[in-house]
Amino acid sequence: DADVTQTPRNRITKTGKRIMLECSQTKGHDRMYWYRQDPGLGLRLIYYSFDVKDINKGEISDGYSVSRQAQAKFSLSLESAIPNQTALYFCATSDLAGETQYFGPGTRLLVL
Amino acid sequence: SQKIEQNSEALNIQEGKTATLTCNYTNYSPAYLQWYRQDPGRGPVFLLLIRENEKEKRKERLKVTFDTTLKQSLFHITASQPADSATYLCALAGRSNTGKLIFGQGTTLQVKP
Repeated sequence: DADVTQTPRNRITKTGKRIMLECSQTKGHDRMYWYRQDPGLGLRLIYYSFDVKDINKGEISDGYSVSRQAQAKFSLSLESAIPNQTALYFCATSDLAGETQYFGPGTRLLVL
Repeated sequence: SQKIEQNSEALNIQEGKTATLTCNYTNYSPAYLQWYRQDPGRGPVFLLLIRENEKEKRKERLKVTFDTTLKQSLFHITASQPADSATYLCALAGRSNTGKLIFGQGTTLQVKP
């Protein structure tokens, strides 16, 4: 089984809807991250969490919120989706050293 | 502002040749630099890490160099194979041990048989 899983893998939603993307990991890592990837822009950090009680904003957190339900679970919510949030979203984990990141397979989100 | 640049144009090479990808950065003093491979529809996969006090790192057919004076890293794949075709991302990490990475936009490599 994959170490980092994301659900759903694909999602189409409408402007104004609230949606949640979920990430689970079996690596036992404390650190988890949410990124979005857009063509030509690379990966950009949305939020990151060092443990269940420690959540931090990344480079582009506006319009997003997160929840760290357990060490193994980190969810990303779009409170009111807009078309420019159409992107590929990745969850990643790392150990306390934080050097190597392990990515999930991604969620492709389309906001109409 | 911090900026990382990778060649946006795809790199096309013949099988067996050495592929060289470039990562340049400005307004940054990274503690280390990483290279990741990304295949279409998949998440990035870690390949190599090189620290600021290291000049070169090797792993099998892969070699990474890191020149903090030029603010540049070169990523080499020797004896390239069609299976090496993918997008390669460089990522920089700061000194604060937050684990936060800043990624370049990636360079797509196409190895032709």
